Amino acid sequence: KQEVTQIPAALSVPEGENLVLNCSFTDSAIYNLQWFRQDPGKGLTSLLLIQSSQREQTSGRLNASLDKSSGRSTLYIAASQPGDSATYLCAVRSGPDSGGGADGLTFGKGTHLIIQP
Amino acid sequence: ETGVTQSPTHLIKTRGQQVTLRCSSQSGHNTVSWYQQALGQGPQFIFQYYREEENGRGNFPPRFSGLQFPNYSSELNVNALELDDSALYLCASSPDGTLYRELFFGEGSRLTVL
Repeated sequence: KQEVTQIPAALSVPEGENLVLNCSFTDSAIYNLQWFRQDPGKGLTSLLLIQSSQREQTSGRLNASLDKSSGRSTLYIAASQPGDSATYLCAVRSGPDSGGGADGLTFGKGTHLIIQP
Repeated sequence: ETGVTQSPTHLIKTRGQQVTLRCSSQSGHNTVSWYQQALGQGPQFIFQYYREEENGRGNFPPRFSGLQFPNYSSELNVNALELDDSALYLCASSPDGTLYRELFFGEGSRLTVL
């Protein structure tokens, strides 16, 4: 059964710092990996989607990498701002044999990020 | 372009009751999936509909059921509500049913079961 772990669970840094959020998954047979942002009590905003054949994706100050063979992804946030404060969720789409539910995303519990002004 | 919209945003039910949650998918999207997010947890996959047929389901009991309509909007129905059903219910749509698709989520419906 696919399992996704995100480390750290919470992170607080001063504004302007570069930071890295980590995501690991147990079954490397994935189709893609997606990073989301969630503000308190709100829905999920898609940040980046990395297909299994890709190594990284970039959008503005965000860069996500994928090492499928080792079951890891990182989300790099450059020059952090207070508006980046949110929970960041990592999710993988696995094959139907991974036991997580045919065709659904398997999510980690997220990293709660606070950027101090 | 209209994003994914869900209704109602909040609702309170008592144990044993039934609830229906609604979702309008993003324009041009024919695949809808539903997720349950308990407080402090990541979302969990409930099921998915592609062109009005359920084509994927997570580890949820049969009292969680759904529908997708010809306009690709969707409903999630939960019967015999239990206290543990209290959660944020998220709907997501995607432009196709391929395994490589990106999901776009709505703001969710917050269900409280008393």
